[in-house]
Amino acid sequence: DQQVKQNSPSLSVQEGRISILNCDYTNSMFDYFLWYKKYPAEGPTFLISISSIKDKNEDGRFTVFLNKSAKHLSLHIVPSQPGDSAVYFCAAREYGNKLVFGAGTILRVKS
Amino acid sequence: DTAVSQTPKYLVTQMGNDKSIKCEQNLGHDTMYWYKQDSKKFLKIMFSYNNKELIINETVPNRFSPKSPDKAHLNLHINSLELGDSAVYFCASSPGPDRGRQETQYFGPGTRLLVL
Repeated sequence: DQQVKQNSPSLSVQEGRISILNCDYTNSMFDYFLWYKKYPAEGPTFLISISSIKDKNEDGRFTVFLNKSAKHLSLHIVPSQPGDSAVYFCAAREYGNKLVFGAGTILRVKS
Repeated sequence: DTAVSQTPKYLVTQMGNDKSIKCEQNLGHDTMYWYKQDSKKFLKIMFSYNNKELIINETVPNRFSPKSPDKAHLNLHINSLELGDSAVYFCASSPGPDRGRQETQYFGPGTRLLVL
């Protein structure tokens, strides 16, 4: 049973435009949500996180929005750059600092 | 300077063999983890150690045994390897519970295990 879902396997965006990656979750006990970026043959790299008591967190070109009532979060990348092309994983934290990951979304930014 | 390192990067072995994967972190973190990324690309936690103490042990076969000689190292030993063990194994670390930002885990580059 997937507690964290990324329903879009892939997303293609033009350079300079906005990329929006979505994530849904089912467990209301998650207290932190994180986004990781992963290049082929490398480990996931932490990008940005948000506490469950907030609804927005911004870091440079990256903004994460959390809608607790809808159990939905999204990652906005503005403007998108070719170097942003990677797999993006949504993760949620539960007890024991355990992270539960989604299946990932492949982002392709076209120049 | 690599923060979380794993060796080996690639591991090809026969069914039934015993193998180990090593992980080291130089971030001064107290907590370390092992994750498995299966063929469907899901990253799933296997184990977690905090200051050499096991705190998370998911439903993993007994053939998998983590060992933490000190808080900077968490090794994974796998006995009697099976075809289904083929996957990418990632080590990660994070600050301890009382060190702040514990939710942020830093991952190693992964070890690609192929069991033939």
